[in-house]
Amino acid sequence: DFVMTQTPVSLPVTPGEPASISCRSSQSLFDSGDGNTYLDWYLQKPGQSPQLLIHTLSYRASGVPDRFSGSGSGTDFTLKISRVEAEDVGLYYCMQRMEFPWTFGQGTKLEIK
Amino acid sequence: EVQLVESGGGLVQPGGSLRLSCVASGFTFNTYEMNWVRRAPGKGLEWLSYISGRSNTIHHLDSVKGRFTISRDDANNSLYLQMNSLRAEDTAVYYCARLAYTNSAGGPRYHGMDVWGQGTTVTVSS
Repeated sequence: DFVMTQTPVSLPVTPGEPASISCRSSQSLFDSGDGNTYLDWYLQKPGQSPQLLIHTLSYRASGVPDRFSGSGSGTDFTLKISRVEAEDVGLYYCMQRMEFPWTFGQGTKLEIK
Repeated sequence: EVQLVESGGGLVQPGGSLRLSCVASGFTFNTYEMNWVRRAPGKGLEWLSYISGRSNTIHHLDSVKGRFTISRDDANNSLYLQMNSLRAEDTAVYYCARLAYTNSAGGPRYHGMDVWGQGTTVTVSS
């Protein structure tokens, strides 16, 4: 199985400042057949269901603010928030869907300083 | 409005069974592949099961294979998770989630799980 490792576990951020979360996969998520990298990012806000932020490495889901961006290649990935807002608090997860079983990182808790 | 609504959770003894349901509305259910994901207390998200349209392809996480079965009833816009031989470690909030896609010349392109239900809580305890 693909093992997904996220850092940091906890991320305190001052509003208006940038934030970055790293995710590493035990195997490459790049599909040379179609040129896609099968890495998604999800956010679970307190008391809510998870929501899709970024799919296929770098594509923002519908309605996601452009302060969120995804990047990386192969086995190393980053979610960046250009300017954190209070509403961004919650648990962030990367997930690979290169191969079943799909696997999530352990999560990164973003909190406001 | 595009929506998924889960039901069927509850308190069950170890070794018992539950059947979770997820009713879809606001979209053409039978064209979407569907999943179950759970989150145990104090833990992260865990993908459990996948089912393709027409139920042609099914995948389960190894730890639930032989105990959990995903199925769908497209006539009733419903997704199910039959859970047998439940264990304390199956205690979690269970979510159904839609796999987004767009059609292209080379076939469907998938875009992550874009619609999630509100979750249903399963507690396995004596």
